[in-house]
Amino acid sequence: AQSVTQLDSQVPVFEEAPVELRCNYSSSVSVYLFWYVQYPNQGLQLLLKYLSGSTLVKGINGFEAEFNKSQTSFHLRKPSVHISDTAEYFCAVSVAGGGADGLTFGKGTHLIIQP
Amino acid sequence: SQTIHQWPATLVQPVGSPLSLECTVEGTSNPNLYWYRQAAGRGLQLLFYSVGIGQISSEVPQNLSASRPQDRQFILSSKKLLLSDSGFYLCAWSVSWGRETQYFGPGTRLLVL
Repeated sequence: AQSVTQLDSQVPVFEEAPVELRCNYSSSVSVYLFWYVQYPNQGLQLLLKYLSGSTLVKGINGFEAEFNKSQTSFHLRKPSVHISDTAEYFCAVSVAGGGADGLTFGKGTHLIIQP
Repeated sequence: SQTIHQWPATLVQPVGSPLSLECTVEGTSNPNLYWYRQAAGRGLQLLFYSVGIGQISSEVPQNLSASRPQDRQFILSSKKLLLSDSGFYLCAWSVSWGRETQYFGPGTRLLVL
């Protein structure tokens, strides 16, 4: 079974400052990794994903993440945040390859942008 | 392009009442379909998934059930709601051949009183 740990439940950051949201996972098999964003009372929107290849993945809204297999991490970063980035961010994993079972999510990190 | 719909958007139900939440997907065929629940202050928990009509896999034993009467329709039901069933229910779909990406609907907020 897989598990995901998001180390920070809340991250306050000033506008235009850089931010890193941390995600660590545990799995005995190869995984795919995802970051989703959830705005209040909405569904989840995919920010970026790592399936294979380059370990640095770029996503929407200026976010990027780096897969580190040795540290089993997939931290999300943005060099300069905006007020509109205030939201809940979820890291998730799935078993790599074919199949249909669902994603395993972390508990989420609430990113709070302060003006 | 693909679109996923959920309704109702919000629902307030008394304890012991039945439940039916519906999810439909447009613009794709034979998708994998998923129901997740998000309780307050917690992450998302996979409840059910389906790889085809009438095929349902349950991840967590509970008083909820799921059905897939049509290829792109997924229904979450309960005969008698509990207070603990309150939460935000999200439906998702993915392509049928892999686990690469799941796309989520707008969600249904359920409050059981």
